[in-house]
Amino acid sequence: QSVLTQPPSVSGAPGQRVTISCTGSRSNIGAGYDVQWYQQFPGTAPKLLIYGNNNRPSGVPDRFSGSKSGTSASLAITGLQADDEADYYCQSYDSSLSRVFGGGTKLTVL
Amino acid sequence: EVQLVESGGGLVQPGGSLRLSCVASGFTISSNYMSWVRQAPGKGLEWVSLIYSGGNTYYADSVKGRFTISRDNSKNTLFLQMNSLRPEDTAVYHCAREGDHRQAFDIWGQGTMVTVSS
Repeated sequence: QSVLTQPPSVSGAPGQRVTISCTGSRSNIGAGYDVQWYQQFPGTAPKLLIYGNNNRPSGVPDRFSGSKSGTSASLAITGLQADDEADYYCQSYDSSLSRVFGGGTKLTVL
Repeated sequence: EVQLVESGGGLVQPGGSLRLSCVASGFTISSNYMSWVRQAPGKGLEWVSLIYSGGNTYYADSVKGRFTISRDNSKNTLFLQMNSLRPEDTAVYHCAREGDHRQAFDIWGQGTMVTVSS
């Protein structure tokens, strides 16, 4: 049972927009701690996609965006592409548990 | 090139010990917060342990008292000493750096597999 809750899977057709939610609590996201998002392909290390709720590291396309409100955060992907098919994880800080991750969401491009 | 390379994984019996290493290049580990993050087969990411640049250490409840994080600044290497290993510790173990933005893991190693089984 992960501290941050994500849907196990989402899907969308090429060109569409999809969102992935990440629900926390008052001890993590709701306490004002930042949310990060990672992309992971099978057999590879995670890659930082979004940091500080809505900032993209250099090289990450602006098709990826993040937002946060209250005890939740979201990752949005616009102009969905076949190579976006991967697992996505949210991550934050928890005042009792330190760094915490969501359970991960598998994105399928139809 | 900025990178992390882990080693030391393998097959170990329950109750055994293993020491993982993570060699950093392109930056200085003692100037950064460094963590170990693991991923059990087919499962999600789980933060395991953290060492601050100042040397303070922190652990997930699941490994507290059994795992010890440390570093050798002269070798720019991070370690994870794992004792009293359990089958549920079976996972790929990644080392990761928190860079300019705290709590964001911007550099990851490829991981080393630890299997705890009799």
